[in-house]
Amino acid sequence: QVQLQQWGAGLLKPSETLSLTCAVYGGSFSGYYWSWVRQPPGKGLEWIGEINHSGSTSYNPALKRRVTISVDASKNQFSLRLSSVTAADTALYFCARVSYCGGHCSAFDYWGQGTPVTVSS
Amino acid sequence: DIQMTQSPSSLSAFVGDRITITCRASQNIGRYLNWYQQKPGKAPKLLIFDASKFHIGVPSSFSGSGSGTDFTLTITSLQPEDFATYYCQQSYSTPRTFGQGTRVEVK
Repeated sequence: QVQLQQWGAGLLKPSETLSLTCAVYGGSFSGYYWSWVRQPPGKGLEWIGEINHSGSTSYNPALKRRVTISVDASKNQFSLRLSSVTAADTALYFCARVSYCGGHCSAFDYWGQGTPVTVSS
Repeated sequence: DIQMTQSPSSLSAFVGDRITITCRASQNIGRYLNWYQQKPGKAPKLLIFDASKFHIGVPSSFSGSGSGTDFTLTITSLQPEDFATYYCQQSYSTPRTFGQGTRVEVK
């Protein structure tokens, strides 16, 4: 059974750096990409970016300037850093596994529990 | 970026009803379309991938169809646990993008 467990600071001030980590239990770590998705209060889902076990990344251009996703494959963990946060970054942040199924086919098939992050002065 | 548009944004239905949610992509995405169910405060759950394939454990009352730019998610007989918000998501290209969601409420 694959489980993703995430943690990190939930209250930040404007201009600070958001930092979250996701640990993966069960299943293969190296055979997948690992992603971050966020959801502002009352709104829809936004893909932040993803990484594989060797550190190859892909980021949402809307956030790319401020985002860093890193991996520690020895611990089956990956992390998100988002710099210079503002109130617009207030959201529920999820980690998720990306499963590829051939060609462009892929899906977020397992998710962490979510970490609420509030940015307020 | 590929824009995903769902309709309706919300709907009200009775237990036992058949409902259909539509998702339209701003360009041809083949069959690279996924559907998720989300309940308040919880992580989304994958229902359908590759437009019509079932994720593990998804009831057969759910089905997906479509290709190109137009896709549908159908629930043939709504159960109490199916009242939730549903999102489509394209995997054709990055950035991966979601529809705005369809909230299914009890009538």
